[in-house]
Amino acid sequence: NAGVMQNPRHLVRRRGQEARLRCSPMKGHSHVYWYRQLPEEGLKFMVYLQKENIIDESGMPKERFSAEFPKEGPSILRIQQVVRGDSAAYFCASSPNLQGMSYEQYFGPGTRLTVT
Amino acid sequence: DAKTTQPPSMDCAEGRAANLPCNHSTISGNEYVYWYRQIHSQGPQYIIHGLKNNETNEMASLIITEDRKSSTLILPHATLRDTAVYYCIVRAPNSGAGSYQLTFGKGTKLSVIP
Repeated sequence: NAGVMQNPRHLVRRRGQEARLRCSPMKGHSHVYWYRQLPEEGLKFMVYLQKENIIDESGMPKERFSAEFPKEGPSILRIQQVVRGDSAAYFCASSPNLQGMSYEQYFGPGTRLTVT
Repeated sequence: DAKTTQPPSMDCAEGRAANLPCNHSTISGNEYVYWYRQIHSQGPQYIIHGLKNNETNEMASLIITEDRKSSTLILPHATLRDTAVYYCIVRAPNSGAGSYQLTFGKGTKLSVIP
């Protein structure tokens, strides 16, 4: 009965490198959400994906950030050419497919990205 | 454009009930009230949600006023492990762009004191 899994838990990158964050949703969940929490701030929504589709990316920065949720495998949040301002905790959440209904999102433990 | 208002911090004695208030005076008829908490450095944890009736589960109770403009989360016997930031969020069911996300405000930092 595993929950949402994220890896790595901690990631250190130098400025200009790429960061790849992975998220495996709970069993039976087909919807994935990514949130970012900057130091001393609240969580901010980034993107919502279903298998092979981006549904809402209204919170994604316009450049350097991308997300995918392939048919097989985990969801990936990719940050290209990282800068110090990307240092944050990135949380993934998942939910079941219940269109039109209320449902909760279950969060993973997060990946803490540090850009040096 | 905050949809909820919560006190920034509260203290509660260990073993006592913790009552966390939330104002959501502009809530729409189809919006639910959700409560999450975030224990230091961990991912947010779902606690409970409701529409208009009071709800109870193994973690907490949720009391929603009849006019739905406010609610109270009750932890019946607070322990030290309940020390966390508690977030009250209003959200409509999955109904199109903008409805999918949880919008986290600043929440209430609850400190359970021995």
